[in-house]
Parts: sequence; structure tokens; C-alpha cells
Amino acid sequence: SAVISQKPSRDICQRGTSLTIQCQVDSQVTMMFWYRQQPGQSLTLIATANQGSEATYESGFVIDKFPISRPNLTFSTLTVSNMSPEDSSIYLCSVVAGNGYTFGSGTRLTVV
Amino acid sequence: GENVEQHPSTLSVQEGDSAVIKCTYSDSASNYFPWYKQELGKRPQLIIDIRSNVGEKKDQRIAVTLNKTAKHFSLHITETQPEDSAVYFCAASNLNAGNMLTFGGGTRLMVKP
Repeated sequence: SAVISQKPSRDICQRGTSLTIQCQVDSQVTMMFWYRQQPGQSLTLIATANQGSEATYESGFVIDKFPISRPNLTFSTLTVSNMSPEDSSIYLCSVVAGNGYTFGSGTRLTVV
Repeated sequence: GENVEQHPSTLSVQEGDSAVIKCTYSDSASNYFPWYKQELGKRPQLIIDIRSNVGEKKDQRIAVTLNKTAKHFSLHITETQPEDSAVYFCAASNLNAGNMLTFGGGTRLMVKP
């Protein structure tokens, strides 16, 4: 199955700034999924990123706040823009690989 | 879209007892049902999964059952141990279509020694 390298693993950011999270997959994949896990909560899908097209965002998430890039079939970035303390969460990328799904190691974001 | 409900939200059992967590899903097109275990500060780890062409799957102390007609599936952990204490998530997807996973709300399992 695929292996995902996700960076950074954690960061502490000032409110009002932006953070870009990167996921690199060791094989070509059609779709990449970005999830958010708020403290004590389940995983919620932010958007689905396809190469060569605009990402598809779930209800409650907008492109201006969470812009996504997908320049090729092995790489994607998620930016958390104009951050507030409510954005403090774990962010994970995921791909369909083999007979299931593979997740990145996660980015633990704290906004102060 | 898919909606996954998970119960209970918390579960406390005595070491050695069994634990059962139940999930329901809404989309009849879903065909893949994984279970994840998440320990504090770590990413979810797949512990077992089942596909819609199978009714039950077992792996040592862990088993999952699926009722497609009723659209529900369950995780069974036998002979629980303190190290089973974690948050467990069920999920569902149409894996054949390459769709995203939809997660249940999670169950915090506490195994008391």
C-alpha cells in the first residue's frame, strides 16, 4: 500500500497567519482527501483534491479558508488561512491505496 | 451523502470482559467498513475492515459483523486488556468508486484492570 509523508508534524502559529501542510505519496493516486480532527472529535472531511481540477469542498469548508493545491498525482498541500484558535486541530491527508485507505501521520496545529 | 452513527460514545468494561461497538450507515452504495483505533496523540490505526460481500470477519480477539439489509456493523473485542483502552472509530465508504471515508463519532473504550 501507499506511504504518505506529511509535513509539518506539528506547529504553533499566531492567529491571523497561515500554515501550509504538505503530503507526498510514494505512488500516483487519483484523489487525495483532507480531514480535520478537532480536539476530542471525530475526523471530518474538509475536501477532496483531484489532480488538474479544483478541489471539492464539504459543507462548512470554503476555498478561501482552506485553499488546496494538487499539482501532480503524488503531491498536495492544504493551507489553513487567517488562523484563529478554533482552527487548532489535527489535519490529516488520506488516499485510497491497495485494498483500503492510507493516512498521513497528521499535523497537530495549535493557534495562539 | 453518507452518514455514519456510532454508539456508545463511551464504554467502560472490566478487563477480560467483551466490548461491543455498533455503527449504522445510510448509503446503500457503501461497500467498505473499516474500524480504527486511535491512542492519545497518535493518528488512527486500522485494526480490521470488512467488505459488503462478507458478513463476518475475525482477527484474534477482534471481530466485525455486517448486516447489509439493516445497514449496520459492529466491532467485537473479546478478553479485553488495558492496552485496548483507546478511541475507536467506525467508517464507511464506496471503496470501489474511490470515495472518501465517512467516520462515526467515535467510542472511548476504557478497560479497567
